[in-house]
Amino acid sequence: DSGVTQTPKHLITATGQRVTLRCSPRSGDLSVYWYQQSLDQGLQFLIQYYNGEERAKGNILERFSAQQFPDLHSELNLSSLELGDSALYFCASSDRQGVSTEAFFGQGTRLTVV
Amino acid sequence: GIQVEQSPPDLILQEGANSTLRCNFSDSVNNLQWFHQNPWGQLINLFYIPSGTKQNGRLSATTVATERYSLLYISSSQTTDSGVYFCAVDNYGQNFVFGPGTRLSVLP
Repeated sequence: DSGVTQTPKHLITATGQRVTLRCSPRSGDLSVYWYQQSLDQGLQFLIQYYNGEERAKGNILERFSAQQFPDLHSELNLSSLELGDSALYFCASSDRQGVSTEAFFGQGTRLTVV
Repeated sequence: GIQVEQSPPDLILQEGANSTLRCNFSDSVNNLQWFHQNPWGQLINLFYIPSGTKQNGRLSATTVATERYSLLYISSSQTTDSGVYFCAVDNYGQNFVFGPGTRLSVLP
């Protein structure tokens, strides 16, 4: 158990819909990262939050947004879903007490858009 | 940004064989990690190894930061070692850049 919790584990939804993925980081970790892994592809960085503030942005579509709340949990919102958004979405956390440390990943949310 | 390469892309082994996976990166890094993605998609931490050598059971890793590469050694491989092995480096605190992975298949 990595200590990073993602919900839900699986999600099936229709094109055009909106979904929210949730991530609870390891206790004490200030940074949360979101990654997308499409079928048989590598991990693509979407966005990083550090202690509630956006710190870095990757190849995140405008239809996607994220936020980190005061309790440090994070949500990734995906809207106007397309078939190509089907993927495994991972959340990771690191930076315990502001010191860059090992990153740990959650089990992922497998999103299927039909 | 930092570029990360891994080799070989695919590896097929007989159970009991040894293997070496390589990760090259284009710039100096503060953090390098090795992960194993199992067939169920879980990303499992293997090593946090910005420099030096570490061992954990049948697995060991060495990072030579000055030459910008890291090696993951798997000895006496087992079928449960199958999956994809990723290395990832810290991109100046902004994100972790992953290599494309090495897909390992261990045959019984």
